[in-house]
Amino acid sequence: SQQGEEDPQALSIQEGENATMNCSYKTSINNLQWYRQNSGRGLVHLILIRSNEREKHSGRLRVTLDTSKKSSSLLITASRAADTASYFCATDAAGAQKLVFGQGTRLTINP
Amino acid sequence: DAGVIQSPRHEVTEMGQEVTLRCKPISGHDYLFWYRQTMMRGLELLIYFNNNVPIDDSGMPEDRFSAKMPNASFSTLKIQPSEPRDSAVYFCASSLGRGSQYFGPGTRLTVL
Repeated sequence: SQQGEEDPQALSIQEGENATMNCSYKTSINNLQWYRQNSGRGLVHLILIRSNEREKHSGRLRVTLDTSKKSSSLLITASRAADTASYFCATDAAGAQKLVFGQGTRLTINP
Repeated sequence: DAGVIQSPRHEVTEMGQEVTLRCKPISGHDYLFWYRQTMMRGLELLIYFNNNVPIDDSGMPEDRFSAKMPNASFSTLKIQPSEPRDSAVYFCASSLGRGSQYFGPGTRLTVL
């Protein structure tokens, strides 16, 4: 069964706008990670946030984590056409090394 | 570093044939993961190794699937015999400890 569930499944916005994707999970975690996948490619790690962190930034990316609600969000500011991809959250069940991925959000940035 | 290397990139085979997928992890990484991605089921973890030892193979669909890691720089995923429902993109990933995972480009498998 899926641990992380992304919302929305698909998102289409205009270039320059901000994109927000959400992830919910079910069990306690050590950390939560976000990955990007361009069409036909492997996944690329974007950012990792630990369970004791609430917010993390990396360039135009901002990730928040609310462990009480078991949810996370990924914000991409000032979106670009090159941001068009699928975005996945992945969680590790506490004590385990393996990650469980959600189904992903397909983001389309329109020029 | 060249990143995680997978071969072949594409494989087309007929039902019943043996398929072997190969992976070279990033040098120094101690974890190796095999995933399968399909439209229906998304990204599924099949098996992972730590220091060449299989730790969790609960995701391996059935006995037709087997994976080995004879040394720190090489792993194989074998399907014998292959079936059309095995058609998917298979990814190998590696990591150093409990950190982020680095994915290979994947092998697109088509079983006719």
